[in-house]
Amino acid sequence: EIVLTQSPATLSLTPGERATLSCRASQSVGSYLAWYQQKPGQAPRLLIYDASNRATGIPARFSGSGSGTAFTLTISSLEPEDFAIYFCQQRTNWPPTITFGGGTKVEIK
Amino acid sequence: EVQLVESGGVVVQPGGSLRLSCVASGFTFDDYSMHWVRQRPGTDLEWVSLIIWDGSRTHYRDSVKGRFTISRDNSKNSLYLQMDSLRTEDTALYYCAKDRGHSSNYFDNWGQGTLVTVSS
Repeated sequence: EIVLTQSPATLSLTPGERATLSCRASQSVGSYLAWYQQKPGQAPRLLIYDASNRATGIPARFSGSGSGTAFTLTISSLEPEDFAIYFCQQRTNWPPTITFGGGTKVEIK
Repeated sequence: EVQLVESGGVVVQPGGSLRLSCVASGFTFDDYSMHWVRQRPGTDLEWVSLIIWDGSRTHYRDSVKGRFTISRDNSKNSLYLQMDSLRTEDTALYYCAKDRGHSSNYFDNWGQGTLVTVSS
């Protein structure tokens, strides 16, 4: 099973700062990686798919990059509503293997 | 607007059975694969199962193979998860999730979840 390791576990920042989140895969996943945001009491929301494509309705301050085993989610300037937990997820087509990383919490400093 | 509404989560004893349901609206249900994803207490997310648009192919994570069965009824815009031989480690919030495409295996819409607690 492909293991995704996210770092750091917690990121303490102030509104307006840039956030850089990392996701590393135990073996290459090509560009088949997504990022989700989850707020307390809510379901996850798809932000980025195929490493760098923003999902429908996602603001341009969210961007994704990387390929192979190293990926990054960048939030260019944190808004108050961006403080949340972020998960990465990899997938294969068929037979499907789908795994999530352990999450990075972005908290207000 | 896409809506996914899960139901069926309860407290059940180890070894017991349960059937989860998810009713979908706001999109053409039979155009998309559908998934169940669970989130255990804490934060860890685990993909559980998928079913393609016409129900002809399904797949499961190893830990639930032979115990869980995913199905769908496209005439009712509904997704199901039959859960048998439940274990304490199956305790989680179970989400119904819509695939972003036919089989992209990304999840672009989620329900609010239904809580399954396996405990004696």
